[in-house]
Amino acid sequence: GENVEQHPSTLSVQEGDSAVIKCTYSDSASNYFPWYKQELGKRPQLIIDIRSNVGEKKDQRIAVTLNKTAKHFSLHITETQPEDSAVYFCAASTGTASKLTFGTGTRLQVTL
Amino acid sequence: SQTIHQWPATLVQPVGSPLSLECTVEGTSNPNLYWYRQAAGRGLQLLFYSVGIGQISSEVPQNLSASRPQDRQFILSSKKLLLSDSGFYLCAAPSVYGYTFGSGTRLTVV
Repeated sequence: GENVEQHPSTLSVQEGDSAVIKCTYSDSASNYFPWYKQELGKRPQLIIDIRSNVGEKKDQRIAVTLNKTAKHFSLHITETQPEDSAVYFCAASTGTASKLTFGTGTRLQVTL
Repeated sequence: SQTIHQWPATLVQPVGSPLSLECTVEGTSNPNLYWYRQAAGRGLQLLFYSVGIGQISSEVPQNLSASRPQDRQFILSSKKLLLSDSGFYLCAAPSVYGYTFGSGTRLTVV
């Protein structure tokens, strides 16, 4: 089955700096890669996703890149703000309705 | 739009007691449904998924079970809880906007 690895497990950046979180996956059949943000005690919320037919997608301060050959994808957050502090999860699946395999999460702390 | 309801929100149960968590989905028909568990400070582990009424697939061996008695209802059960069953249980379903999660049930086994 699919295996998703995520790094780093914790990340501390200063407000205004950029943050990058990286994930690798094992199943070459995976073609859907969402990213979730989870605040303490809350449910995960989808923040951005990418499908395998594109290499990059951007939404305001958030961008995701995908390298299918290397089987890795990354989340980039620019101009970080304190409200970006949360746990971020990457995931992979073989379709938008298929089961998601999640990475282990990255705790992002944005300091003033 | 799709909405996932879960209850209860929190639950404290003694070891050896039974468990029943319910998830219902609105705004869609015949969805794939998923149960995930998140241990404290950890990632999301897929427990069960269902592609239709009466169809259950288990991802990990454990003392939990799942059932889907109706199209939009997914139930997670246990006959005897273990301490290791403590965690945050999330029901999820795919939509055109990607996976959506219910608000979760925080289970503490004491």
